Amino acid sequence: SQTIHQWPATLVQPVGSPLSLECTVEGTSNPNLYWYRQAAGRGLQLLFYSVGIGQISSEVPQNLSASRPQDRQFILSSKKLLLSDSGFYLCAWSEGRRNTGELFFGEGSRLTVL
Amino acid sequence: KNQVEQSPQSLIILEGKNCTLQCNYTVSPFSNLRWYKQDTGRGPVSLTIMTFSENTKSNGRYTATLDADTKQSSLHITASQLSDSASYICVVSEKNRSNYKLTFGKGTLLTVNP
Repeated sequence: SQTIHQWPATLVQPVGSPLSLECTVEGTSNPNLYWYRQAAGRGLQLLFYSVGIGQISSEVPQNLSASRPQDRQFILSSKKLLLSDSGFYLCAWSEGRRNTGELFFGEGSRLTVL
Repeated sequence: KNQVEQSPQSLIILEGKNCTLQCNYTVSPFSNLRWYKQDTGRGPVSLTIMTFSENTKSNGRYTATLDADTKQSSLHITASQLSDSASYICVVSEKNRSNYKLTFGKGTLLTVNP
């Protein structure tokens, strides 16, 4: 069966510090990978998605970047965090070849920027 | 602009009672509609998927309905349990060739009290 792992679960970082959130998927190949941010009282906002190694599409201009160094690994990064980067970050995957639009989410990473 | 509106924003019910959550959408062309359950601090988990031709689909105590003509969906929870306390998110998919574009509602926060 497929599983998705996301870490760290909780992170408290000072403004201006770097960020790295990691996500890996097991049990499938060539998945589509996504990073979402969820702010309190708001819907999920798509930040990045990837359909293959090294292929990253950005939905929203921002202080963050994403990379996909391996087929089932997706990394969310920032060189210098802003206060506004605080939020709940969710990694997700969907089938690449037989995409039905269903997303499978990780457990999330709570980022607090102080 | 594609939109998904959910109501109510929040709901408090007593254990054992039934409730119905609403989702209205303007997404076009419509592909499918999913209801996700998101426990506090966790990633969303898919409950049901509704395609254009489906009117009703059940998953245990959860029953989803879809009226594609009026672009409305509902999620009915029967005999609520404390574990039903969560945010319920309606997600509508728009299919463009081989890609799916998802539009998320902001969710309904359900609290089930003993």
